[in-house]
Amino acid sequence: EIVLTQSPTTMAASPGEKVTLTCRASSSVSYMHWYQQRSGASPKLWIYETSKLASGVPNRFSGSGSGTSYSLTINSMETEDAATYYCQQGSSYPFTFGSGTKLEIK
Amino acid sequence: QVKLLQSGAELVKPGASVKLSCKTSGFTFSTSYMSWLKQVPGPSIEWIGWIYAGDGGTNYNQKFKGKATLTVDKSSSTAYMDLSSLTSEDAAVYFCARLTGRPNYFDYWGQGVMVTVSS
Repeated sequence: EIVLTQSPTTMAASPGEKVTLTCRASSSVSYMHWYQQRSGASPKLWIYETSKLASGVPNRFSGSGSGTSYSLTINSMETEDAATYYCQQGSSYPFTFGSGTKLEIK
Repeated sequence: QVKLLQSGAELVKPGASVKLSCKTSGFTFSTSYMSWLKQVPGPSIEWIGWIYAGDGGTNYNQKFKGKATLTVDKSSSTAYMDLSSLTSEDAAVYFCARLTGRPNYFDYWGQGVMVTVSS
């Protein structure tokens, strides 16, 4: 099973600040996918195939990476970006998720 | 638009079974892969398995074999998950989601259903 390790576990950012969340895989994966989950809601697809933004996702978000190291970046933090972000790999079974990064607004 | 509507919260006794439903609309169900996922605070999200609505073919996370059984009803575009022999470790929020083909991500999610296991 591929283990995904996200860091940091929690962080707080000020409006306008650049934010980078990372996800490391225990083995190489072809792509990484990211989900945003707000409190009490279901996860939403946010970034797929490492760098493609899902429909409706603001272009201040971006994704990058390869092999075992991936990241999600917010160019300029906004209040509405406060949520938990999960990475997920679908390269090998079982599909697995990271434990999430909780992003708060400062 | 795409919708996945899950059944309501469940309170079940230890040792009992429960059947969760996920009624879909807005896409061609019969050629879709539907997945179920489990979320417990802290340990994150676990993928339980997928079922191909076209022929009922399934693929389970080994961890959930014997615990979860996935089925579909094409006539009503509904996916189901049976959970058997429930224990406190099965208490969680369960989501259905549509799974794309490779590279395998979940593009639409249901609202989730909380399963509580208590006598």
